[in-house]
Amino acid sequence: DAKTTQPTSMDCAEGRAANLPCNHSTISGNEYVYWYRQIHSQGPQYIIHGLKNNETNEMASLIITEDRKSSTLILPHATLRDTAVYYCIVRSYTGTASKLTFGTGTRLQVTL
Amino acid sequence: DGGITQSPKYLFRKEGQNVTLSCEQNLNHDAMYWYRQDPGQGLRLIYYSQIVNDFQKGDIAEGYSVSREKKESFPLTVTSAQKNPTAFYLCASSGGRATYNEQFFGPGTRLTVL
Repeated sequence: DAKTTQPTSMDCAEGRAANLPCNHSTISGNEYVYWYRQIHSQGPQYIIHGLKNNETNEMASLIITEDRKSSTLILPHATLRDTAVYYCIVRSYTGTASKLTFGTGTRLQVTL
Repeated sequence: DGGITQSPKYLFRKEGQNVTLSCEQNLNHDAMYWYRQDPGQGLRLIYYSQIVNDFQKGDIAEGYSVSREKKESFPLTVTSAQKNPTAFYLCASSGGRATYNEQFFGPGTRLTVL
């Protein structure tokens, strides 16, 4: 699976958009980009995924560059409850079981 | 409600004892996973199972064992051979969707070996 690079930490003011970048320059054509987040001492939570088109759901938007070498997760109106570690993962679909490789992620701190 | 349960939330054991962590899901998912997380680190895959009575080693399987006798259950045994068992253990499951494999995680069990 392709390796991802994320900033170690970021701050965001409450109510503002949080833009979390991820580099995955070695991504191959059949690999998806997934985002999960982990609030302290809880299990990770799935946020969104995409292949090459931009995606939006009730939690966030995912913007993938045209060359697919990087992506940005956007939380449009961050709240204090969005403070968490955000993981960007690249993974190919290989059947029922999908092994996800979690790096150290980006620690997002949302402040008043 | 559908979901994944792990019990207990906190577990203390003496060094040299085997301990079994419970993971149950009622999501009707075929695949289940066990991860380990150390402080300040990402998750590392211990074992995974794609179907009942079948499982494969992940990246750090040494010192651990699993069984998958029922679709709903995937218990993890931490044996005395695991040199540093104190960690946060997370169980997950995923269904067999055609386009992606979203994993659903349980709340985790924090194991402390004294």
